[in-house]
Amino acid sequence: AQKITQTQPGMFVQEKEAVTLDCTYDTSDPSYGLFWYKQPSSGEMIFLIYQGSYDQQNATEGRYSLNFQKARKSANLVISASQLGDSAMYFCAMREGPNAGNNRKLIWGLGTSLAVNP
Amino acid sequence: DSGVTQTPKHLITATGQRVTLRCSPRSGDLSVYWYQQSLDQGLQFLIQYYNGEERAKGNILERFSAQQFPDLHSELNLSSLELGDSALYFCASSGGSAGVFKASGTDEQFFGPGTRLTVL
Repeated sequence: AQKITQTQPGMFVQEKEAVTLDCTYDTSDPSYGLFWYKQPSSGEMIFLIYQGSYDQQNATEGRYSLNFQKARKSANLVISASQLGDSAMYFCAMREGPNAGNNRKLIWGLGTSLAVNP
Repeated sequence: DSGVTQTPKHLITATGQRVTLRCSPRSGDLSVYWYQQSLDQGLQFLIQYYNGEERAKGNILERFSAQQFPDLHSELNLSSLELGDSALYFCASSGGSAGVFKASGTDEQFFGPGTRLTVL
């Protein structure tokens, strides 16, 4: 079974508008972390935002915010005021187990391709 | 610039050959991770090293091996290459010095630019 599901292969948004990229996850571990990374056409992976399973508040980093709904096992990325430079692939990833654990591998979704239109 | 370097950037080789990919982590990072990104399978975790020791293993084939050296750089060796091994190979690092994590509790992984391997 897929542990990380990103149901939107491609999304379009108008410049300056907000967009939500969906991510659902599956784990039985009570301690986990959720990450969003951006991969522009140049190929590098850029860390955007992190949400811990025990974090009380939704994470925010500038124009990025994470809509964390633990009961639904969803961790959607919200990008506000989209810019042309936001056009990229976006990946949701999960680390199972506590932050201080030895096993720190990330499990990845298949990504969502976002295109920002001028 | 993440501070993680990978060489070479591109590699073209033939089936049956052996190649070595190199990664230098960010200064002070003790953990190195290797990932394979292919079109059909997305990003797959291969292996993690922490301060020279293997810590976690993912979907790494027996034809592949890795190590982390005393200076913390890491190498991924791919042998008996097949067409299906063509992919983008990423190295990432994390962990800071002496295992001290960020106050936020995040231990995000910083990715290198990747090595694009083409097997012909």
